[in-house]
Amino acid sequence: EVQLLESGGGLVRPGGSLRLSCAASGFTFTNYAMTWIRQAPGKGLEWVSGISASGGKADYAASVEGRFTISRDNSRNTVYLQMNSLRPEDTAIYYCARMYYGDLDWGQGTLVTVSS
Amino acid sequence: QSALTQPPSASGSPGQSVTISCTGTSSDVGGYNYVSWYQQDPGKAPKLMIYEVSKRPSGVPDRFSGSKSGNTASLTVSGLQAEDEADYYCSSYAGGDIVVFGGGTKLTVL
Repeated sequence: EVQLLESGGGLVRPGGSLRLSCAASGFTFTNYAMTWIRQAPGKGLEWVSGISASGGKADYAASVEGRFTISRDNSRNTVYLQMNSLRPEDTAIYYCARMYYGDLDWGQGTLVTVSS
Repeated sequence: QSALTQPPSASGSPGQSVTISCTGTSSDVGGYNYVSWYQQDPGKAPKLMIYEVSKRPSGVPDRFSGSKSGNTASLTVSGLQAEDEADYYCSSYAGGDIVVFGGGTKLTVL
């Protein structure tokens, strides 16, 4: 069974940083791209970033390009999202997902709140 | 990476059918057979209802069906039930490690 466990969310001040982690189990981690998706309170789903299976290629939404960095440690079956220069509009539940083309398997999410 | 276009709301009476559309471009919906539909209740994580345009995961009632024509995908809910009232989101593969989502449709069962 695919399991994805996000951690690292919390309250941070505008301009601050936070690193999210997603620990994966139940599948061969190195065979899959991984992605982060977020949902702001009362809003829709937004793709944030994705990383290839090898970690050699990453993509970002325009709204986070230059501020967020996705990475993965294939020896630890973990994907990360480093979030810098956080803004109030980054407040959201952040979901980690295993990706096979457009097929996604989701974690339960971790809440990030950016507020002074 | 523009969002896919969904109607903000849809409605139907119990027993009726309702169809929700999801319009993208040839770079996403029209270019790949990787369109998914999610149902989301308030405060809950999204639940996969349809994947790869028209496939249903185990446990999803066959009242839910998906299709695609050109750059537009559709979710049809037949025999509407009160429990179907929720927000519905479409998503599509867009190449690389990118997925795009629709803005969501609030389905109301009258």
